Order: sequence, then structure tokens, then C-alpha cells
Amino acid sequence: KNEVEQSPQNLTAQEGEFITINCSYSVGISALHWLQQHPGGGIVSLFMLSSGKKKHGRLIATINIQEKHSSLHITASHPRDSAVYICAVKDTGNQFYFGTGTSLTVIP
Amino acid sequence: NAGVTQTPKFRILKIGQSMTLQCAQDMNHNYMYWYRQDPGMGLKLIYYSVGAGITDKGEVPNGYNVSRSTTEDFPLRLELAAPSQTSVYFCASSFAAAAISFGPGTRLTVL
Repeated sequence: KNEVEQSPQNLTAQEGEFITINCSYSVGISALHWLQQHPGGGIVSLFMLSSGKKKHGRLIATINIQEKHSSLHITASHPRDSAVYICAVKDTGNQFYFGTGTSLTVIP
Repeated sequence: NAGVTQTPKFRILKIGQSMTLQCAQDMNHNYMYWYRQDPGMGLKLIYYSVGAGITDKGEVPNGYNVSRSTTEDFPLRLELAAPSQTSVYFCASSFAAAAISFGPGTRLTVL
């Protein structure tokens, strides 16, 4: 069983739609990260959070520590948001565990 | 700051050859990691280091070796390359309580 589970695995949306990607984890964590990977590209950290909610532009990340769940929301989605979004958790021993990613395609 | 740099970007090896993937960071991060990413799979930890002179195995260390003689550098050595080591390799670094930074990746093919 993976320590980090993401859903959905694949997501196709029309431009302008509101998008939600979910992440559940099973280990005690010190922080949760949302990462973005464009096709053939590197991996960029979008958010690091340990409680509550963070917002950056059209991206919002939330975490519920009690439920061991996080969501990444994209408002007014755009084709340039097409990428793989990866949830990663850092446990109390400073080890990272990664989800397998959600592949998002936003159609114009 | 250059962040995390990796060389080479691409490499093709023959079975049984050896090579070193270079990784360097200029952010004075204490933690450094090597991951591999196979198509359609999540990142798997090969080795990590919590500081200069300290390294430890991750989830998939077989066939690899690392060293951490300085804070900045964390090379990954492949001995006797095998087709199963065809993958994209990412080096990453972080402070204990900070966001993780990734290098651009090295795409390795073993034929």
C-alpha cells in the first residue's frame, strides 16, 4: 500500500473549469508538498503546508491534518495548467513519500 | 542562485558500463536526495544524505552508490549499468523545514 494516494489519476477539463485534485496519506507528517511537473520537464514545488490553506494566484491548497487529506484546487483553469501534479509528504523523520501524480489536461 | 544542478541531461549507456550522475546545490541545504522516476510511476528514493559525510539507502539502492564529501555535491554512481536502470533521475535538496528543490533531471537509457 502506498503511503500517499492521489485521485484522480487522470483529469481532463475544459478551459475555465474549477479543478480539484485530492491527496490522502497514511503516515505522520511534518509537511505536505504539492509539486508540478510539465511533460519532459523538471519538478517545481507549488506549495508546502502543514496546516490550513495557502493560495498562490489561481492555485489553492488545503490540508486537514486530522483526516490526513489535502486538496489542490485550480480556479479558472487554463491550458498552460496542463501538467502532472504530485502530492508529497515529509514524515517526522524527514523522509519524503510521493503520490504517483495526477495528469491534468486542460482543453481550450 | 543556480539552485539544484544536474549533469548530464541525457546519457545512453551500454550494459555493463559505469557512470556518475553529478548533482550540486548552492543553497546550503543539508538534505539531499536521489530519486528515479519510471514512466507512469511515482518518484522512488534511491539514496539520501542528511549532511556531509552521511548517506543512507532509500527504497531502491541496489546498483547505485553515493558519496557526500561536501554540503554542495551529491554524485550518484552507477556500476555495471543494466536495462532496469533506464529511467529519469532527479536530484533534490531541502532544509529540514523547507520546501524541496529539484534538479532538472537526467534521462538515462541503458541498451
